[in-house]
Amino acid sequence: VQLVESGGGLVQPGGSLRLSCVASGFTVTSNQMTWARQVPGKGLEWVSLLYTGGDRFYADSVKGRFTVSSDPSKNTMFLQMESLRPEDTAIYYCARGTEYRISWRDYYYYMDVWGKGTTVVVSS
Amino acid sequence: DIVMTQSPVSLPVTPGEPASLSCRSSQSLLHSNGYNYLDWYVQKPGQSPQLLIYLGSNRASGVPDRFSASGSGTEFTLKISRVEAEDVGVYYCMQALEAPLFGQGTRLEIK
Repeated sequence: VQLVESGGGLVQPGGSLRLSCVASGFTVTSNQMTWARQVPGKGLEWVSLLYTGGDRFYADSVKGRFTVSSDPSKNTMFLQMESLRPEDTAIYYCARGTEYRISWRDYYYYMDVWGKGTTVVVSS
Repeated sequence: DIVMTQSPVSLPVTPGEPASLSCRSSQSLLHSNGYNYLDWYVQKPGQSPQLLIYLGSNRASGVPDRFSASGSGTEFTLKISRVEAEDVGVYYCMQALEAPLFGQGTRLEIK
């Protein structure tokens, strides 16, 4: 079971970038998937959630600029990042959320598999 | 919005000694289903985060039993009964009751 991110790089402010998260050993579309980021030397920040039913949620800091999606044929999740800002500079991680069934109507997801991350630098 | 506060910022511990890390939430993380929506992660030097504890007190698969967690509502504690050198890293709590939010972390160091 593994996640591998790619697509990071240096981009100018206002530019775009598309990150990929390739899964092996499990099916992306059968799990909740998360993007999180971390400025080197700083703490972790949640970025987006993609649920199995297709619902998507975003942190306020990226809402309207980032879009999460998946491609079942490639077993890959993507993060399309537009209108990038210097404050988006970070290591971007993807993570699998495994479902824990609390009751017949309640379930919880915990992030039990993380990739090694891909670095995005937004700078002129 | 929920605010997560961890203490201490840095925790030097002698190997073999216990360690206690605190996480405080500005709002109760106790769901109506009786579970606390709080996880603990550790990020070891040069590595990605890894799950330690979910739903307040459930150890993740493969996590040594020297790690335990407790608490409810707004006050949570992660305890390491006997610290080992491999436990060095930054420990984060994360609330999942609303949009996921991590605390700022506690850096565990070996004396």
